[in-house]
Amino acid sequence: NAGVTQTPKFRVLKTGQSMTLLCAQDMNHEYMYWYRQDPGMGLRLIHYSVGEGTTAKGEVPDGYNVSRLKKQNFLLGLESAAPSQTSVYFCASSWGTGGYEQYFGPGTRLTVT
Amino acid sequence: GENVEQHPSTLSVQEGDSAVIKCTYSDSASNYFPWYKQELGKRPQLIIDIRSNVGEKKDQRIAVTLNKTAKHFSLHITETQPEDSAVYFCAASFHTGGFKTIFGAGTRLFVKA
Repeated sequence: NAGVTQTPKFRVLKTGQSMTLLCAQDMNHEYMYWYRQDPGMGLRLIHYSVGEGTTAKGEVPDGYNVSRLKKQNFLLGLESAAPSQTSVYFCASSWGTGGYEQYFGPGTRLTVT
Repeated sequence: GENVEQHPSTLSVQEGDSAVIKCTYSDSASNYFPWYKQELGKRPQLIIDIRSNVGEKKDQRIAVTLNKTAKHFSLHITETQPEDSAVYFCAASFHTGGFKTIFGAGTRLFVKA
């Protein structure tokens, strides 16, 4: 069981470039999440999904898009990267909401110059 | 909006002493309160959680208490060890207006040998 995996681990982008972060889980979880982690601000929810084909906005969705075409995968897209999107991005998954442990991926460190 | 406040932001203790981290939440409808530990460069991992129908839960050296009336919950670590050094995040799951889990900003715990 690999759990939750993320690719890539590191990435440097120039302002205006686009990229997609991939999250995959092999635990058959319905729920998947994308967070960003910035110093002193904890984990902030960007977008989440309650099942294949569904997505919803979290606390800080602006500048990001997501897709969940397959149950095991959750993609996070940055269409036009900005320096303010420099952060560590974590994907997570869980069986359900409000009472279920979230399992996190190893993170992606993104720098936008 | 909903928020979770966590204190202190940094905590330094001597090995063997106890450490206490406190969180308050705003939404009285919250009913699930997990604590995650994040070691340097690693992913967050669940260490203990508590539900709103329970006042206290203990697991070896760690315990969590919940005061629903005051809307605060605390993490207690006894007999601290150097390997307890990490960032600890509290969180609260809200059910009003859809699913949300809000994380506190984190507490960096240093255990000095």
